Amino acid sequence: GAVVSQHPSWVICKSGTSVKIECRSLDFQATTMFWYRQFPKQSLMLMATSNEGSKATYEQGVEKDKFLINHASLTLSTLTVTSAHPEDSSFYICSAKFPGGHYNEQFFGPGTRLTVL
Amino acid sequence: SQQGEEDPQALSIQEGENATMNCSYKTSINNLQWYRQNSGRGLVHLILIRSNEREKHSGRLRVTLDTSKKSSSLLITASRAADTASYFCPRSSNTGNQFYFGTGTSLTVIP
Repeated sequence: GAVVSQHPSWVICKSGTSVKIECRSLDFQATTMFWYRQFPKQSLMLMATSNEGSKATYEQGVEKDKFLINHASLTLSTLTVTSAHPEDSSFYICSAKFPGGHYNEQFFGPGTRLTVL
Repeated sequence: SQQGEEDPQALSIQEGENATMNCSYKTSINNLQWYRQNSGRGLVHLILIRSNEREKHSGRLRVTLDTSKKSSSLLITASRAADTASYFCPRSSNTGNQFYFGTGTSLTVIP
C-alpha cells in the first residue's frame, strides 16, 4: 500500500517556540492531505485539509494563525505549531488522499508526538 | 459532518475468540471504511465496503453492511494478541473528502 511518513516522530519544545511537522507521501503524489490531532484516550479530530498549491481549509474552532499549513509540493505538507503552549501537547497525525480511483481512501502517517514544556 | 458511532466502546476477549464491533451512521454513504490504530501509532486501512455490497472478506476480517439499518459490523475471527487496538469507521463529509472519527472500539485480546 501507499506509504506516508512524518517527521519528527516526537518533539519536545519550550513554551513559546514554534514547531514544524512534515508529512510526506513517499510513493504517490497527493494533492490533498489532512492534519488531525489526538489527545490521550480520545479520537482523532480533523484540524484542516491541506491542498497543494492553495490555502488550507480549517475546521471550525481551529486557529489558522496558530496552526500554519503549507502544501508546497505534491508529496509534502507541513504543519507549524506557532508559539506552542502546553495545551498544544498532543499527537498529530497526517494523512494523504490517494489520487484517482473512485474512493476516498486515506493513508495515514505514523504520527508525531508533541510535548510542550 | 457526521461522526462515526462505533459500538461497543471497549471489548475484551481471549485469544482465539472472535471479536465483533459495530458501526452506525446517519446519512447515505458511497462506501464505508474500517481503520485500526495501535496505541500511539498512526492508522492502518483495513477494508472498504461499497454501498452496493453486503459483505466483504479480507483474511480474518469480515465486514457486513446493512444500508437499510445504516450499520456495519467488523468481525475479527480467531483473534490474536496483536489485534489489540482501536478500530474506527470514520464518516465522510458531504464532499467525500474529509473523515470524521468517533471514539472507536478499543479491543483488548488477552493472550
